[in-house]
Amino acid sequence: NAGVTQTPKFQVLKTGQSMTLQCAQDMNHEYMSWYRQDPGMGLRLIHYSVGAGITDQGEVPNGYNVSRSTTEDFPLRLLSAAPSQTSVYFCASSLRYSGRAGNTEAFFGQGTRLTVV
Amino acid sequence: AQTVTQSQPEMSVQEAETVTLSCTYDTSENNYYLFWYKQPPSRQMILVIRQEAYKQQNATENRFSVNFQKAAKSFSLKISDSQLGDTAMYFCAFMKPRYSSASKIIFGSGTRLSIRP
Repeated sequence: NAGVTQTPKFQVLKTGQSMTLQCAQDMNHEYMSWYRQDPGMGLRLIHYSVGAGITDQGEVPNGYNVSRSTTEDFPLRLLSAAPSQTSVYFCASSLRYSGRAGNTEAFFGQGTRLTVV
Repeated sequence: AQTVTQSQPEMSVQEAETVTLSCTYDTSENNYYLFWYKQPPSRQMILVIRQEAYKQQNATENRFSVNFQKAAKSFSLKISDSQLGDTAMYFCAFMKPRYSSASKIIFGSGTRLSIRP
């Protein structure tokens, strides 16, 4: 019963460093997304994907890259970390089509707390 | 574009009391879903309750119920007989039905709820 697995849980980076946040799900969900959570701003969408090979930008995509080579994995890359990217990052997955209410639930990973110094 | 507003950044109530968290949203859509997510100190995002806009009946899940006012675009969460374990950040969220294209979940800024013993 793994659900959505994010690694690492915590990370400290120096300004200018790059890194990849990993996200994997075992529920065969087509839709995956990355959010960042900042105090007073809720969760904001960074990038999302509706299936392998298909990605698109969300609300705050600058400074981040994604790719989706398999259904299971959706890594988020920080190209050159900046202090403004200090945040908690969440990966989520769900079914692509929500024709029924029961299909609408998004399942979240446990988050990655990233600090850029 | 859709927006979700939570006007209560923090709330605090005594154990066993009833508390209501407010949420308003803005959309031109007629059919959509609304959610309340709970984020305890563990950081895990947990779906508490969901409402389908075309259903007039308010959703309930044990001690949790909503007051959905479609014309007023209001979606409040009522927690009855509050328990210490209800202490968490609560996020209101909106999503259009996901049929032929990706539909994103839009989150409010959150309400931090503390239950006092």
